[in-house]
Amino acid sequence: KQEVTQIPAALSVPEGENLVLNCSFTDSAIYNLQWFRQDPGKGLTSLLLIQSSQREQTSGRLNASLDKSSGRSTLYIAASQPGDSATYLCAVCNQGGKLIFGQGTELSVKP
Amino acid sequence: GAVVSQHPSWVICKSGTSVKIECRSLDFQATTMFWYRQFPKQSLMLMATSNEGSKATYEQGVEKDKFLINHASLTLSTLTVTSAHPEDSSFYICSARDIPAPNTEAFFGQGTRLTVV
Repeated sequence: KQEVTQIPAALSVPEGENLVLNCSFTDSAIYNLQWFRQDPGKGLTSLLLIQSSQREQTSGRLNASLDKSSGRSTLYIAASQPGDSATYLCAVCNQGGKLIFGQGTELSVKP
Repeated sequence: GAVVSQHPSWVICKSGTSVKIECRSLDFQATTMFWYRQFPKQSLMLMATSNEGSKATYEQGVEKDKFLINHASLTLSTLTVTSAHPEDSSFYICSARDIPAPNTEAFFGQGTRLTVV
């Protein structure tokens, strides 16, 4: 059974810092991995999608890496801003198109 | 990206009543939609896979008679919480893909906050 773990559960950093969020999964037989952002009481916004054959994806200040063999992914956020404060979720996709989510990392960027 | 819309965004209902939540794909057709549930400070748990024109596939432990799913068209799936009880209070979110394959991006609705009193 696929299990997805995110570390840390919460993170507080001063504005301008670079930071890394971690995601690990137990079963490497995935189709892709997706990172999402969730603001309090809101739905999910897709940030980056990495296919199983890819190593990384970049979008603006965000860079996500994937090491499928070791079951790990990281989300790197450069030059963090207060507007980046949210919960970040990673999810892996299996054959049926189902997403298995981690518990999320609650990020707070202090001005 | 593709747009998925949920309605209502929040609802309060009395214990014992039923509540219907709609999930629409606004600019694409979705043969498959997914329904998730999220408790406070917890992650999303998949409840069921909604298949257009056929019965939904429920995850283990999810009561199909309590959570009725209908996917009557390629742009609309509904989740009905029947005889709701306070323990059903949660955040319900749907998702869909504009291309019916696992290796594509999933888009999510804005979620529905259900409170049963």
